[in-house]
Amino acid sequence: GENVEQHPSTLSVQEGDSAVIKCTYSDSASNYFPWYKQELGKGPQLIIDIRSNVGEKKDQRIAVTLNKTAKHFSLHITETQPEDSAVYFCAAIPGYSSASKIIFGSGTRLSIRP
Amino acid sequence: NAGVTQTPKFQVLKTGQSMTLQCAQDMNHEYMSWYRQDPGMGLRLIHYSVGAGITDQGEVPNGYNVSRSTTEDFPLRLLSAAPSQTSVYFCASSYSPEGGHEQYFGPGTRLTVT
Repeated sequence: GENVEQHPSTLSVQEGDSAVIKCTYSDSASNYFPWYKQELGKGPQLIIDIRSNVGEKKDQRIAVTLNKTAKHFSLHITETQPEDSAVYFCAAIPGYSSASKIIFGSGTRLSIRP
Repeated sequence: NAGVTQTPKFQVLKTGQSMTLQCAQDMNHEYMSWYRQDPGMGLRLIHYSVGAGITDQGEVPNGYNVSRSTTEDFPLRLLSAAPSQTSVYFCASSYSPEGGHEQYFGPGTRLTVT
């Protein structure tokens, strides 16, 4: 089955700097890779996703890149702001199978220093 | 539109007690699921449902039961609580059982078993 590894587990960056979180996956059939943000005391919320026919996707200060050959994908946050402080989860899933097949990474706690 | 709601927010149980965690969604989503979140382990699927009357086991189903009598509700029952079930529980829903769609998470229930 699928296995998703996420690094680092904690990340502290200066406000205004960039943050990068990396994930690797094992199942070459995976073709949908969402990223979720979890703020303190709340449930995870989708912030961006990418499908395997795309190498990069951007949404304002957030971007995700995918390298299918190497089986890794990354979340990039530029010009970080205090509200970016949260736990971020990557996930992988064979996009055309059941949502029950989704596997989450272990999470990255991102702290933005003022 | 309330999205996904969960009750209670916090619960303390003694070993051997039973209880039901409630989950409801008002988005007419077919797919609903229960996850548990433990430190350093991401989100792990307990049970899921692809429609009213249909449920199935996820990665960590032991000690839990579910039912889905309506599209809106998906309660999770702990049969005989154990300290190993101390965790944060999230209910999620998605409009389709297919894997390539956003999952909407509830705010979570923090359960402590003593």
